[in-house]
Amino acid sequence: RKEVEQDPGPFNVPEGATVAFNCTYSNSASQSFFWYRQDCRKEPKLLMSVYSSGNEDGRFTAQLNRASQYISLLIRDSKLSDSATYLCVVRDSSYKLIFGSGTRLLVRP
Amino acid sequence: NAGVTQTPKFRVLKTGQSMTLLCAQDMNHEYMYWYRQDPGMGLRLIHYSVGEGTTAKGEVPDGYNVSRLKKQNFLLGLESAAPSQTSVYFCASSYSGGGETQYFGPGTRLLVL
Repeated sequence: RKEVEQDPGPFNVPEGATVAFNCTYSNSASQSFFWYRQDCRKEPKLLMSVYSSGNEDGRFTAQLNRASQYISLLIRDSKLSDSATYLCVVRDSSYKLIFGSGTRLLVRP
Repeated sequence: NAGVTQTPKFRVLKTGQSMTLLCAQDMNHEYMYWYRQDPGMGLRLIHYSVGEGTTAKGEVPDGYNVSRLKKQNFLLGLESAAPSQTSVYFCASSYSGGGETQYFGPGTRLLVL
């Protein structure tokens, strides 16, 4: 079983749609949680950290459920520029990051 | 401020050849990392360093060596390349290890024939 699991997609949605990605992690001792964004043939970049109380950054909302070991990312009012792969990332009890294989999002006009 | 840079951007090797990938960062970060990314696998940690002169093994270290002689540079070496090492290699750095953001370089695409 992978340590961090994501639905690979692709999610194909129209502009303006709301889309949600889910992620599960296997290590209950995981310390920190993140969503990274990776554009095609580019490097990953931090989108947002995920806090226990949930957090929002503009059109993006992240949620964490430690009991279920589940992380989510909600994107409202999708833009064409949101098309990318979204990586769920977990920091284990050391400082190493464990990456999911990513969920691909395609936003169409 | 260039952030994290990687050299070269693309390389083709024959099986058995050797090469060194260079990563440089100008953010005075203590921690540096080498990852490889393969289709459907996500990024996997090869080696990392928590400071100048220190290195440690990650998840997939076999076939690779690293050195951190200067704080700003982290080198990844392939002594005898194999087709299984065909991948995209990313270097990253962070100020510390405790949940800090990792900043990634643009990647090196390596093809081993």
